[in-house]
Amino acid sequence: EPEVTQTPSHQVTQMGQEVILRCVPISNHLYFYWYRQILGQKVEFLVSFYNNEISEKSEIFDDQFSVERPDGSNFTLKIRSTKLEDSAMYFCASSEGRLTNEKLFFGSGTQLSVL
Amino acid sequence: RKEVEQDPGPFNVPEGATVAFNCTYSNSASQSFFWYRQDCRKEPKLLMSVYSSGNEDGRFTAQLNRASQYISLLIRDSKLSDSATYLCVAYGGSQGNLIFGKGTKLSVKP
Repeated sequence: EPEVTQTPSHQVTQMGQEVILRCVPISNHLYFYWYRQILGQKVEFLVSFYNNEISEKSEIFDDQFSVERPDGSNFTLKIRSTKLEDSAMYFCASSEGRLTNEKLFFGSGTQLSVL
Repeated sequence: RKEVEQDPGPFNVPEGATVAFNCTYSNSASQSFFWYRQDCRKEPKLLMSVYSSGNEDGRFTAQLNRASQYISLLIRDSKLSDSATYLCVAYGGSQGNLIFGKGTKLSVKP
């Protein structure tokens, strides 16, 4: 089965530093997403991306966050100045179409630890 | 605020038991519902979609009651490998994203 790949699997950073989390969605998928899960908490939606622009974002996705599709394969999440509360597992996901009809495929996640 | 609520468990059951999980959602406009399975510190994986008519996939049966805004998952003949956290998920449509419950933890013992 095709899969979404994420790198790195673990990222440790100092508070205030910038981090970029990378994802390679499944090649024929058109919709891309970032979710996060703080340890012991629920999976939370951050942002969805379609046709090279953000289609939806949650209140978590503030000005410190940005997403980019720099080339035909990668999809990145940048956190400009990390805070302690940004520590979480970040999941990238993709789907072929809109979620009503299509399965959402998650990557294995990047565990971000902000010290 | 749109929420999905689940009993966190844990549900500790012996192998071969039948176990049922319930979930309620607050947004009556939610269009689609799913059960995901998440193993410890892994990504969520789709277990099954939930339809109003109810649907079955092997040992797993899902039901949706739109009037009560209630979703259920029944697992028959539990296996050790069923041990995981089961996430109830609603798709709100207008938000273009999935709303996850916190999950119900299942532990199947020999």
